[in-house]
Amino acid sequence: AQKITQTQPGMFVQEKEAVTLDCTYDTSDQSYGLFWYKQPSSGEMIFLIYQGSYDEQNATEGRYSLNFQKARKSANLVISASQLGDSAMYFCAMREGLTGGFKTIFGAGTRLFVKA
Amino acid sequence: GAGVSQSPSNKVTEKGKDVELRCDPISGHTALYWYRQRLGQGLEFLIYFQGNSAPDKSGLPSDRFSAERTGESVSTLTIQRTQQEDSAVYLCASSSSGLLYNEQFFGPGTRLTVL
Repeated sequence: AQKITQTQPGMFVQEKEAVTLDCTYDTSDQSYGLFWYKQPSSGEMIFLIYQGSYDEQNATEGRYSLNFQKARKSANLVISASQLGDSAMYFCAMREGLTGGFKTIFGAGTRLFVKA
Repeated sequence: GAGVSQSPSNKVTEKGKDVELRCDPISGHTALYWYRQRLGQGLEFLIYFQGNSAPDKSGLPSDRFSAERTGESVSTLTIQRTQQEDSAVYLCASSSSGLLYNEQFFGPGTRLTVL
């Protein structure tokens, strides 16, 4: 079974608008962490934001926020005020605790295109 | 300080040959990960080292793949008898510990092409 599901292979957004990238996950662990990474065409992986399973508030980092809905097992990334430089692949990842051995599993990614 | 480094950056090999890929994690990072990323796809977990614990090898796709780590430093990923389907970018990442909240820092990757 897929641990991390990103259902949007590609997304378009107009510059300066907000966009939501979807991520759902599957775990039986009570303790886990959720991450989002950005991969521009250069290939580097850039950490964006983290949400812990016990965090009661949604994580925010500048223009990035994570819409965490624990009961629905979703951890959507919201990018506000999109910029042309946001065009990239975005990966959702989960690190499980004891049951997952603390390794990190990545989703298939969503390619975001920001239009001028 | 220096980030995660990987060598070589590119490797072209013939089918059937063995290859070794190297990863130098950030100094002091106890956790080290290897991933494979095929063209246009996501990251596929291969193996995870945490301190002196036995590595988690559950992602290795076949017994042609193996990895070692010397203490909490350099790691090598070895692929024996390479096949064309092994062509991919191999990414290494390290984090300061295996705790849930520790972000991973990625190296630039090694692009492997098997002819």
